Amino acid sequence: QSALTQPASVSGSPGQSITISCTGTSSDVGDYNYVSWYQHHPGKAPKLLVYDVSNRPSGVSIRFSGSKSGNTASLTISGLRAEDEADYYCSSYTSRSTSYVFGTGTKVTVL
Amino acid sequence: QVQLVESGGGVVQPGMSLRLSCATSGFTLSNYGMHWVRQAPGKGLEWVAVIWANGINKNYADSVRGRFTISRDTSQNTVYLQMNSLRVEDTAVYFCARDISSWSPGFWGQGTLVTVSS
Repeated sequence: QSALTQPASVSGSPGQSITISCTGTSSDVGDYNYVSWYQHHPGKAPKLLVYDVSNRPSGVSIRFSGSKSGNTASLTISGLRAEDEADYYCSSYTSRSTSYVFGTGTKVTVL
Repeated sequence: QVQLVESGGGVVQPGMSLRLSCATSGFTLSNYGMHWVRQAPGKGLEWVAVIWANGINKNYADSVRGRFTISRDTSQNTVYLQMNSLRVEDTAVYFCARDISSWSPGFWGQGTLVTVSS
C-alpha cells in the first residue's frame, strides 16, 4: 500500500489558520469517505481529530475541521495555539487489498 | 470508558516470533473492528492489520501478510497480534486501536515496543 502524500511541514503564528493537504488516488481518498485525521505527540497515543472526512468525535475542538475534493483531503486548524504543535496524519480506507493507509505525516510548528 | 492496554513487546532476534496482546474494557469487543498500527523509530504511522467486528474478516498490510496474524478472544476481551519470522524492519511501537465508525480507528492504546535485533 502506498502512503498518502502530505507536506512534510506546515507552520503558522498563534491565532492564524493553517491547512494540511492529503493527496491520494481514486482507490482511496477519491472514492471513499473513510478519511480520518490524527494528532500525534511523540510518545503518546495518536488522537483522532476527524473521521469520515468531516466528522469530529465528541470532545474535539471545533478549531479542527476536515474536507475533501477529488483525491485530496484537507485538515484546517483555525486559531492556531502553541499546544497544536505536533505531527498530523491523514488516513483512508483503500480498495487495494481491502486495507488501510496512513499519510506521510506533517509536522506543524507554531511560530 | 474505553480502555486499551497493549503488552507483549520486547527484544527478539530476527526470525523469531512474538505475540502482542491488547486488553480491552469499557465496550463489547464483538461490536467493533480492531486495528494494529505501528510506528518505527523516526518514521510515520503504518497500518498493520484489522479484524472486523464479525471476527471473521481480517486484512493485512502487504509488509506483514503471511507473517502476522490478528485474532481476538471475546471471552477475554483481548485482541492479539501473532508475529512470526520477525525482521529488523518490524522494530516499532505497536498500537492497538478500536474503530468508532467503519475504518476509523478512534480509540488507541499507549503502545508496546518491539525491537528485532541480533
